[in-house]
Amino acid sequence: DADVTQTPRNRITKTGKRIMLECSQTKGHDRMYWYRQDPGLGLQLIYYSFDVKDINKGEISDGYSVSRQAQAKFSLSLESAIPNQTALYFCATSEREGSTDTQYFGPGTRLTVL
Amino acid sequence: AQSVTQLGSHVSVSEGALVLLRCNYSSSVPPYLFWYVQYPNQGLQLLLKYTSAATLVKGINGFEAEFKKSETSFHLTKPSAHMSDAAEYFCAVSEGFQKLVFGTGTRLLVSP
Repeated sequence: DADVTQTPRNRITKTGKRIMLECSQTKGHDRMYWYRQDPGLGLQLIYYSFDVKDINKGEISDGYSVSRQAQAKFSLSLESAIPNQTALYFCATSEREGSTDTQYFGPGTRLTVL
Repeated sequence: AQSVTQLGSHVSVSEGALVLLRCNYSSSVPPYLFWYVQYPNQGLQLLLKYTSAATLVKGINGFEAEFKKSETSFHLTKPSAHMSDAAEYFCAVSEGFQKLVFGTGTRLLVSP
């Protein structure tokens, strides 16, 4: 079984709809992240959480919200989806390995907003 | 703030040829550097990472990268490309236990 899972894997929705993307991990890591990937732009950080009570905005948090329901679960919500939120979304987890963290990624959710 | 530049959005090589993917970084403190690979329809997989223990870092699938402080570079190489190496490669930098900053990626194309 995969260590970091994302549901759904693909989603098509309409402008104005609320949508939630879910991430679960079995790695036991405290830190979790949400990124979006757009062609030619690499990965941009949306939100990150260092533990259940610690949630922080990333570079592009406008239009998104998150919920850390438990150590293993971190959800990303789009309250009112718009077409420019069409992208590939990745969840990641990390643990301290020596003097830095190493991040491990889920398989991604491809979101299309019509 | 740290940043990463990957030169070349696409790199094409023939099977068996040397692979060289370029990454230059900017950081105000000693950096930690990573290379990730993304195969089609998959998430990112860690190839290797530099954490100051050794300047030449060996990773999975025969890849390696060398940290050169004087050139602020961390280029990824593989002596002989295989068709299965075709993927997108991302360089990333962090400053200790801070968030990763990714480059824009380089797509490696391998022809027979």
